[in-house]
Parts: sequence; structure tokens; C-alpha cells
Amino acid sequence: GAGVSQSPSNKVTEKGKDVELRCDPISGHTALYWYRQRLGQGLEFLIYFQGNSAPDKSGLPSDRFSAERTGESVSTLTIQRTQQEDSAVYLCASSPGTGGINEQFFGPGTRLTVL
Amino acid sequence: SQQGEEDPQALSIQEGENATMNCSYKTSINNLQWYRQNSGRGLVHLILIRSNEREKHSGRLRVTLDTSKKSSSLLITASRAADTASYFCATDEDSNYQLIWGAGTKLIIKP
Repeated sequence: GAGVSQSPSNKVTEKGKDVELRCDPISGHTALYWYRQRLGQGLEFLIYFQGNSAPDKSGLPSDRFSAERTGESVSTLTIQRTQQEDSAVYLCASSPGTGGINEQFFGPGTRLTVL
Repeated sequence: SQQGEEDPQALSIQEGENATMNCSYKTSINNLQWYRQNSGRGLVHLILIRSNEREKHSGRLRVTLDTSKKSSSLLITASRAADTASYFCATDEDSNYQLIWGAGTKLIIKP
């Protein structure tokens, strides 16, 4: 079956512009995560969606970052007024989300470069 | 802290040798997971070990968990060039949905 997909795969933008990243989770997965990964580092949690519950936004680094998810489908991560320190790979993962933490299935990521 | 600790940061071995990576964490956990990341296949789940388990095997992979020392190890036996990747451990550390990720071990298998 289809895995997690993300678009675009690469995004180059100018400082100060807004960007929108998209994630299509695996069908039926109720949990969806966004992470940021800087070069040579581990994953930094950004936001978590579970079904129709209020999302956990505790990992968002500033109010320039926001994310939405419609039901249990597509999610978008928006970064407003991008800064050079926002340059990173943004990874999306989905999970069945039942009974505790399960295996997470990752998309290929969006590599964001802010000039 | 957002991240656990893994060592070594980098490991280079000859094909056919065994590779061992370690992960330490800070608080109590329900489970610990290991993932592999390479440019070809992205980030992929390898194995999950629960807090009441001490050892788990999957093919050439062997994971151990010592909750008294708050540490885990990943052993890859008979390494292959395709094992070249970064390996990450992730723990739930008392959360029911959030994983805490280590910084990873970069493994290079030399032919």
C-alpha cells in the first residue's frame, strides 16, 4: 500500500517568505507527527495530531510555525516569514495511534533551504 | 532535554564485522525503538523493545535493554555495505504519544 508522502521534496525560498509543506499520511492512521531535522542531528518534535483531539503544539519553536490537519487526512505545516535558521529537513510521520506509542512510518521529508 | 544520548557518534567497520551502538535515556519508559536512516529509504523502523523485555532479535539485529542502567544497545551482525546509515534510538519516556530521539550513530561499512 501507499506510504507517507510529502511535498514538495525540496523547497528553496528567500528569507521573509512564507512556505507551506504538505503531508499525506497512511490511510487509517489516526496519529500524525511533524519533526524537524537539522543536518547531522536527531529529530526535533514539532507537533502531534491524534484524530479529532486538540493537537499538541508544544514543540513548535515560534509563533511563525503553525500546522493544520483535517480529520485524519492531509496535514500542512506553514512557516511564516522564514528565517535562515529554519533551513532543515521537515519530516512527517503517521502511526496507527492505538494503545500507546507504536511504530512510526515516515515520509521522505521536505528539504527546506532559506536563502 | 529533547534528545537522548547515543554512542559512538560515528563508527566505521569492515564488511562482515559486527557493529554495536548504544543508547542511553533519562526517565522511565514503556518502550524503546530503533530506526535507520539512509538517503535511499529515508527513516525506517527497525525494532521495538518493551520495558519488560531484555532482549529482542530481528534477522541480523539484536537489541538489548537494561532499564536499571537506562540504556539499550543495537548489535548488527555480519555487516553489509547496505547497512551504512545513521541509526537512531527513540523512547517514549513516560509519554503516551511523544518519542524522544537520540542524535544518532553514523555507521559506515567499508567493503
